[in-house]
Amino acid sequence: AQKITQTQPGMFVQEKEAVTLDCTYDTSDPSYGLFWYKQPSSGEMIFLIYQGSYDQQNATEGRYSLNFQKARKSANLVISASQLGDSAMYFCAMSSMDSNYQLIWGAGTKLIIKP
Amino acid sequence: DTEVTQTPKHLVMGMTNKKSLKCEQHMGHRAMYWYKQKAKKPPELMFVYSYEKLSINESVPSRFSPECPNSSLLNLHLHALQPEDSALYLCASSQDGLAINQPQHFGDGTRLSIL
Repeated sequence: AQKITQTQPGMFVQEKEAVTLDCTYDTSDPSYGLFWYKQPSSGEMIFLIYQGSYDQQNATEGRYSLNFQKARKSANLVISASQLGDSAMYFCAMSSMDSNYQLIWGAGTKLIIKP
Repeated sequence: DTEVTQTPKHLVMGMTNKKSLKCEQHMGHRAMYWYKQKAKKPPELMFVYSYEKLSINESVPSRFSPECPNSSLLNLHLHALQPEDSALYLCASSQDGLAINQPQHFGDGTRLSIL
C-alpha cells in the first residue's frame, strides 16, 4: 500500500532561519513522483516543487529545495531564509502508476514563522 | 493569481437548495479534478475528468454531480446536501493526468457551508 507520512503536525521557526519539513513515503512502485504543496490560511493550494524517483539531482526552486534520500524513502522540504509569508500548511504528496497517477497526500505540517 | 479560477469563493446554502460550483482553466490541460477538504486535513479526491470524460469517481454520493462541458470548464452540481458536506472544495488541473511528473494546479477553492 502506498503511504505518505509527515510526522510534524506543527512547527514554529524564527524568521530568517532555515526550515526542514519531514516527509517519508512508502511504495513498491519503482517509478513515482513526489510533490510539495503550500496552503496558506486563505485556502489556495500552491505547487512548490517536484522530484522524480529517477532524478539524480535534488530538486530546487528558488528558496525551496527537496532533500531526496531514496534509500531512506524520504523527501524532506527545505526552505531557506524563512519569511513571515511562509506561514502555512505544507503537504507532501506522491503519484505513481499504482495510484493511477492520483496524488496520495500526507497529513500536512503547519508551519508558523515567528518575527 | 492562480491560473485555475473557481467561483463562487464562498457559498452558503440550505439542505434543499440546488447550486453549482464552477472551475475554469486556460492552460490547455486535459485533466481536471474536484477535491473536498475539511479543516486541517489533506484534500480528498472526488472526481477526475480526463479528456472531458469522467475517469474516476471516488464513490461520491449522488448529491454531488460533476459535469465537464468542455476541456476548460468543470462544474460541480450540488443538490440536497448535508451539513457534513460543509468544506473547502478545490478544483485542480494537470496536463493529462496520465503521468507521474505532472503537478496539479489548484484554484483558490470554494468555501461551502450547509445550513
